[in-house]
Amino acid sequence: EDKVVQSPLSLVVHEGDTVTLNCSYEVTNFRSLLWYKQEKKAPTFLFMLTSSGIEKKSGRLSSILDKKELFSILNITATQTGDSAVYLCAVGGSNFGNEKLTFGTGTRLTIIP
Amino acid sequence: GAGVSQSPSNKVTEKGKDVELRCDPISGHTALYWYRQSLGQGLEFLIYFQGNSAPDKSGLPSDRFSAERTGGSVSTLTIQRTQQEDSAVYLCASSLSGQSYEQYFGPGTRLTVT
Repeated sequence: EDKVVQSPLSLVVHEGDTVTLNCSYEVTNFRSLLWYKQEKKAPTFLFMLTSSGIEKKSGRLSSILDKKELFSILNITATQTGDSAVYLCAVGGSNFGNEKLTFGTGTRLTIIP
Repeated sequence: GAGVSQSPSNKVTEKGKDVELRCDPISGHTALYWYRQSLGQGLEFLIYFQGNSAPDKSGLPSDRFSAERTGGSVSTLTIQRTQQEDSAVYLCASSLSGQSYEQYFGPGTRLTVT
């Protein structure tokens, strides 16, 4: 059974701190790993990673994938209160020709002003 | 452009009633997914439609759940004889194709079964 585990489950930091969120996975026929930010109901797409060792960056957010050790990290530098959200990691796998995402339970990040 | 839309945004129903949840994907997206998110839980995959192929129903939790996608666009998720454990946010997502994992999510429908 495909599995995605995120850590920590929750994190509270002060504005300006740097945080690292972790995601490890076991999935059949790995295709890609995605990070989403969920503030209210609809998750919004952040990154998709398919290759090991290549950092993806968007402003203060960056992410990297290690396909050998089966994990990814999401870094947020100089955190702001608007970064408070649940960050979801999802892994795309292929099973009998069907593509599906398996999601972790998320890391709830709270930024204190 | 328009994103994924879902209706209703909130639904309260009595145990035992049937409910229908609607999803309107982004125009041109051939893949459509339904997920369920219970309180404090991650997203649970329910069903996946890709073009005209037979849907992947492997995530549906029981035979009370069904979904259809008409004309390759709008999808309806139906829950028959609702139970309290069906209470959750039901999220729909679409992507350009089944090979693309960049899924765009709708705002969800919060279902409460009393």
